[in-house]
Amino acid sequence: AQSVTQLDSHVSVSEGTPVLLRCNYSSSYSPSLFWYVQHPNKGLQLLLKYTSAATLVKGINGFEAEFKKSETSFHLTKPSAHMSDAAEYFCVVIDYNTDKLIFGTGTRLQVFP
Amino acid sequence: GAVVSQHPSWVICKSGTSVKIECRSLDFQATTMFWYRQFPKQSLMLMATSNEGSKATYEQGVEKDKFLINHASLTLSTLTVTSAHPEDSSFYICSARTSGATDTQYFGPGTRLTVL
Repeated sequence: AQSVTQLDSHVSVSEGTPVLLRCNYSSSYSPSLFWYVQHPNKGLQLLLKYTSAATLVKGINGFEAEFKKSETSFHLTKPSAHMSDAAEYFCVVIDYNTDKLIFGTGTRLQVFP
Repeated sequence: GAVVSQHPSWVICKSGTSVKIECRSLDFQATTMFWYRQFPKQSLMLMATSNEGSKATYEQGVEKDKFLINHASLTLSTLTVTSAHPEDSSFYICSARTSGATDTQYFGPGTRLTVL
């Protein structure tokens, strides 16, 4: 079965400093992985998607994630945080057996001025 | 990118009434749509999956007679909460996908339902 684990429920950074949101996955085959962002009282917006092409995936708003099979990780990074990045971030994997998305528990990113 | 809309964005209703929420894919045809429920500070919980022209498939524990789902066209799915009760108050989010399982799900902005 597929699963994802988001290692931090909360991450706080200062504006202008790097962001690292950690996600580990478990999959018996090559996974399809996503990062979504959710701002308060909003739906989810796709940041980026990995589907066995390039291991370094670039997304919107300066975010990127690197697929590391040896570490079963798909961490989300951004070189310099903006206040507008404050939101909830979800790491997601597709369960091919059920055709459903499996969500991590989410990481709340706070950005301080 | 693909856009999914939901209407209404928020609704307040009295206990015992029914509420319909619409989910539309604006610039693509969605063969499959999903309905999720999200409680405060929690992740999304899948309620049901609907394919155009077919009956929805409900997740375990979700009452199909209470949460009626219709996917009548490739761009529209509706969720009707029947005989709503205060415990149905929640944030309901739909998503839409074109075809294959690896295709991206695009999410709507969500509907905040409050039942008094």
